[in-house]
Amino acid sequence: ETGVTQTPRHLVMGMTNKKSLKCEQHLGHNAMYWYKQSAKKPLELMFVYSLEERVENNSVPSRFSPECPNSSHLFLHLHTLQPEDSALYLCASSQGPSGISRELFFGEGSRLTVL
Amino acid sequence: GENVEQHPSTLSVQEGDSAVIKCTYSDSASNYFPWYKQELGKRPQLIIDIRSNVGEKKDQRIAVTLNKTAKHFSLHITETQPEDSAVYFCAASKGNNDMRFGAGTRLTVKP
Repeated sequence: ETGVTQTPRHLVMGMTNKKSLKCEQHLGHNAMYWYKQSAKKPLELMFVYSLEERVENNSVPSRFSPECPNSSHLFLHLHTLQPEDSALYLCASSQGPSGISRELFFGEGSRLTVL
Repeated sequence: GENVEQHPSTLSVQEGDSAVIKCTYSDSASNYFPWYKQELGKRPQLIIDIRSNVGEKKDQRIAVTLNKTAKHFSLHITETQPEDSAVYFCAASKGNNDMRFGAGTRLTVKP
């Protein structure tokens, strides 16, 4: 399989649950991202990992916890979420700023609903 | 940090007409400006980009213009077709890993 793959595609969880979103890229990129997409809002950058090191954390609440065990995998661990956290979570990868191309390659997203 | 404003939020045109979407950015250090298209239920995909050393770039029916002085850039789609219907996002980046997006424009092309 090629490109950026996200699982699960849909997730419904209660506010006390703990779940994780998974992202895998098969493009040989060295940077991976989590974005939050809510209706009628800009894509919000949450976390950036470059060469497996977190380089960006845009004031995201601690109930979201990222993990990047290697350059191909990225996780977003979720716990004690709020209903307003319901959104589409998009993973993306790129060659990083040192690459010729800065294009972001997105996954299809994980649609999260918090009850 | 960078702030990207995008207008209009919705745009409806007749097939064959042109469509223009405009974005402004706040950080004069931004030097890379891509446009992404997101069809319903699908992932955003890059359709065209421009760097700050270029004022205009064209690819078939789509073109992007950049005014560095005014800090705004625009997407132009000519001879629109129904398959151009989608949400379009502009973005700006300074060259690090920080890509900031606009709120998106929902374009509807009526047959």
